Amino acid sequence: DTAVSQTPKYLVTQMGNDKSIKCEQNLGHDTMYWYKQDSKKFLKIMFSYNNKELIINETVPNRFSPKSPDKAHLNLHINSLELGDSAVYFCASSQAVRGGAQHFGDGTRLSIL
Amino acid sequence: GQQLNQSPQSMFIQEGEDVSMNCTSSSIFNTWLWYKQEPGEGPVLLIALYKAGELTSNGRLTAQFGITRKDSFLNISASIPSDVGIYFCAGQLKKTSYDKVIFGPGTSLSVIP
Repeated sequence: DTAVSQTPKYLVTQMGNDKSIKCEQNLGHDTMYWYKQDSKKFLKIMFSYNNKELIINETVPNRFSPKSPDKAHLNLHINSLELGDSAVYFCASSQAVRGGAQHFGDGTRLSIL
Repeated sequence: GQQLNQSPQSMFIQEGEDVSMNCTSSSIFNTWLWYKQEPGEGPVLLIALYKAGELTSNGRLTAQFGITRKDSFLNISASIPSDVGIYFCAGQLKKTSYDKVIFGPGTSLSVIP
């Protein structure tokens, strides 16, 4: 059983389109995250939700909107995609008490044409 | 803001050699974490350290939480080809309502059979 699963694994789309990435965790964790990994492999936190409430919102364009329907799901919607949005997006989850031990999904590779 | 430095940036070693890498910061962290990322996958937690001076092993891997709480190191003994990947350190800070985790830029390890 996959602990943190993201869909789709690959996403190729044109500039200006709107797309969504879904994430689900079956670990019973309270906190979920979205990270962006650029071409130099640097991992940057974008958002974090704890029990469906937004707790971290780093400097991210407002074209990115996370949505957490329940604590097991955290989806990411991106409007008006730009070339600079090309990256690998990782979802992760952790227990609130030991928040540092995050479990990551396998990533969604987003390519903007 | 808080920032982590990892050295070396990349390593090429012969199979069987021992590996040592470290992570430093000008900030104090409550927790240090070491992750490994293989191509096409998300980071996987290797070792978590929760107390200054703590030394923890996981098979051939050993990591230590620096006494000053501003650094950590990871050693891999008798490297094998499957050790190839990017090793990330991450420091965790306790904020009032959440735990902030900051990732280092990674050390890329290549093992020559």
